[in-house]
Amino acid sequence: RKEVEQDPGPFNVPEGATVAFNCTYSNSASQSFFWYRQDCRKEPKLLMSVYSSGNEDGRFTAQLNRASQYISLLIRDSKLSDSATYLCVVNRLTGGFKTIFGAGTRLFVKA
Amino acid sequence: DGGITQSPKYLFRKEGQNVTLSCEQNLNHDAMYWYRQDPGQGLRLIYYSQIVNDFQKGDIAEGYSVSREKKESFPLTVTSAQKNPTAFYLCASSMLGTAASGANVLTFGAGSRLTVL
Repeated sequence: RKEVEQDPGPFNVPEGATVAFNCTYSNSASQSFFWYRQDCRKEPKLLMSVYSSGNEDGRFTAQLNRASQYISLLIRDSKLSDSATYLCVVNRLTGGFKTIFGAGTRLFVKA
Repeated sequence: DGGITQSPKYLFRKEGQNVTLSCEQNLNHDAMYWYRQDPGQGLRLIYYSQIVNDFQKGDIAEGYSVSREKKESFPLTVTSAQKNPTAFYLCASSMLGTAASGANVLTFGAGSRLTVL
């Protein structure tokens, strides 16, 4: 079992739709959590950090559930430009500091 | 503008050749990392360095080597011992510190795409 797991998708949604991604992590010592966005053949870029209290940035909302060990990303009013792969990223300290990447969830937003 | 610069963007290598990928950052970050990404897979850590003249192996270090002679620079050499080197290579850097301080958030370079002919 992978330490960080995501549904690979693809998610195909129309413009204006609301779409949600989940990510689960297996190591309870995980400390900090992020969502990155990666466009085709480009580098990953930080989309947002994920806090225990939940956080929102415009159309994007991220939530963390430590008890169930999952992270979610909600995208409202999807735009064509939201089409990308979304990577769930977890930092943990056990056994030395390490950043673990999920394999990503692909999103296609269609007109 | 602060950032990470990787070069070359595209590189072709013949079997049996060593190649070196450059990574330079002007973010004053302490830590630097090399990842490999294959199609449909997550990023896998090759090597990382938290301080000058020190580095540690990641999950897939075999066939690779690095150096960290300067804080700003962390070149990666793909040696002939790496049996399947065709991949997208990403360099990243971060500040070190606590989660509360906002440290340990990776910033990536634009990547180097290596193809073995």
